[in-house]
Amino acid sequence: DAGVIQSPRHEVTEMGQEVTLRCKPISGHDYLFWYRQTMMRGLELLIYFNNNVPIDDSGMPEDRFSAKMPNASFSTLKIQPSEPRDSAVYFCASSWGAGGAQPQHFGDGTRLSIL
Amino acid sequence: GQNIDQPTEMTATEGAIVQINCTYQTSGFNGLFWYQQHAGEAPTFLSYNVLDGLEEKGRFSSFLSRSKGYSYLLLKELQMKDSASYLCAVRDQSWGKLQFGAGTQVVVTP
Repeated sequence: DAGVIQSPRHEVTEMGQEVTLRCKPISGHDYLFWYRQTMMRGLELLIYFNNNVPIDDSGMPEDRFSAKMPNASFSTLKIQPSEPRDSAVYFCASSWGAGGAQPQHFGDGTRLSIL
Repeated sequence: GQNIDQPTEMTATEGAIVQINCTYQTSGFNGLFWYQQHAGEAPTFLSYNVLDGLEEKGRFSSFLSRSKGYSYLLLKELQMKDSASYLCAVRDQSWGKLQFGAGTQVVVTP
């Protein structure tokens, strides 16, 4: 079975450029999560969606970050303009339901470097 | 506020047992997860506890005490491939949201 698919796997770009990260959740999952992982701050939840609707975006660092989920099989996280401090690994995860023992399944991540 | 504490690093010998502790203070509690993350890879689900007690899954077991805000992950018969970071995550009052600890790096030596 296909897991969560993220693209690109690696992105290196210059400060000020727009960056778009993409995620395809596991088919049938109704929750989608965007995380950022750094050595300093660990794994942080940025935003999550339920049935394509954003539920909680309190973790989004600032207005430069935006996320959309136009349909059940696709989501994007956009950074515009990008800054060096945005360098991190960005993970997308999905789950079926949000309660009980339903775990979140993570994609392989996008390693983002802003020069 | 939210606080999840785990040791930073633990070292153990192949074949031994290691116990990774996690203490938490969160606004509400709706379950605790353990994830394994190998370097450069995604976190993968290991175990889930919502009631007090021990859950066993092969070489891995996880324990929870809700009154003490405490959990541990027990890794038995350690293998070299168990060298990884182990993340404790708590689902608080907000269904869907997980708060992750900083992770415990386990190093297995021959």
